[in-house]
Amino acid sequence: EVQLMQSGGGFVQPGGSLRLSCSTSGFTFGNHVMKWVRQAPGKGLEWVAYISSGSVTVHYADFAKGRFTISRDNAKNLLLLQMQSLRVEDTAVYYCAREPENSGCSDYWGQGALVTVS
Amino acid sequence: SYVLTQPPSVSVAPGKTAMITCGGDNIGSQNVHWYQQRPGQAPVLVVFDDDDRPSGIPERFSGSKSGNTATLTVSRVEAGDEADYYCQVWDTSSDHQVFGGGTKLTVL
Repeated sequence: EVQLMQSGGGFVQPGGSLRLSCSTSGFTFGNHVMKWVRQAPGKGLEWVAYISSGSVTVHYADFAKGRFTISRDNAKNLLLLQMQSLRVEDTAVYYCAREPENSGCSDYWGQGALVTVS
Repeated sequence: SYVLTQPPSVSVAPGKTAMITCGGDNIGSQNVHWYQQRPGQAPVLVVFDDDDRPSGIPERFSGSKSGNTATLTVSRVEAGDEADYYCQVWDTSSDHQVFGGGTKLTVL
């Protein structure tokens, strides 16, 4: 069974840092593109970052460039999002998501982690 | 930046058909994906690559495209279909993933 288990959310002051983790199981992690998507309270889904299966290619939403870093450890089946210089407007539930091998969609999602910047 | 436009809300009576649209420039050349999100839950993929369904998604959910508009159709709507629905593409010109603003489906 494919599982994405998230950890690392919480409260942080503006300007602070936080690291989100997404521990995966039930599939060959190293074969899949992974993404982070967030959702501010009462708002829609917003893509944050993308990382290719071998970490060669990363892409960031404009708001994340220079402040967020997506990374992965294929040996540990682990996806990470390091966030720094956090702003009040970064308050959101952050989801990790798997991309299937032959499509640009996201077929499995983590349970979400709430990040509150205040 | 690429923009996907969805109606904020759609209402439908039980047993009827709901159609949720997603408009974008040259969307015909993009693969469009659709997600269902119930309150407090993670999104669930219901249609991918315009018109394919993941295993476990009822046949009542279908996708289509025409011109600059993609459409998610939910047939024989049930109370449990009440949720927010989002369309999504990967914009190759910017290497950004883009979501529509979301549509709240209300079952009357």
